[in-house]
Amino acid sequence: GAGVSQSPRYKVAKRGQDVALRCDPISGHVSLFWYQQALGQGPEFLTYFQNEAQLDKSGLPSDRFFAERPEGSVSTLKIQRTQQEDSAVYLCASSPSWGSNTEAFFGQGTRLTVV
Amino acid sequence: QKEVEQDPGPLSVPEGAIVSLNCTYSNSAFQYFMWYRQYSRKGPELLMYTYSSGNKEDGRFTAQVDKSSKYISLFIRDSQPSDSATYLCAMFNSGGGYNKLIFGAGTRLAVHP
Repeated sequence: GAGVSQSPRYKVAKRGQDVALRCDPISGHVSLFWYQQALGQGPEFLTYFQNEAQLDKSGLPSDRFFAERPEGSVSTLKIQRTQQEDSAVYLCASSPSWGSNTEAFFGQGTRLTVV
Repeated sequence: QKEVEQDPGPLSVPEGAIVSLNCTYSNSAFQYFMWYRQYSRKGPELLMYTYSSGNKEDGRFTAQVDKSSKYISLFIRDSQPSDSATYLCAMFNSGGGYNKLIFGAGTRLAVHP
């Protein structure tokens, strides 16, 4: 595809349920970022991959959050035992260069609602 | 206190007005200053970025950085209803390699015909 694709676009989870959010970056992009955007707030960094290596996971809010990019392409963000405070839009961005923010393109996000 | 502060608005202006959007920051190490536009239920889209201090112009958009005051601005001339969106400032250190991008909360702008 031409852009960063995220699925599903919307997810409703019951509290305590596990969820998996998928990001398909632009083909050939080596850098991949995950952000969390709460309602009325700016995106907050969660984690960064260079190819398959997770170089920074300092933004993951708890050990219930886990991200992977096993083949250096598609990435999955998994949230275990979801809580209401996990409700947010989860954004993925990819970039053709190592760690480049200025060349990063964002997907449309997955809106997670925990009920 | 957040590293990047941005007035959430909303800001409502008539079509054709000049819009001024602003952010302040506390980390003097920030070197790259970016402005994103985010339409409802869409991802952020990069409008422009500036390295260090100074001005940058792109069509109807002008970005200004004043590092001495830790203050950045985005001006939109001849605003259009299609400019109605949330505008996010963001910034990061330079210094080679990867650096975390820090966003403001975003300002909601409505341009009415």
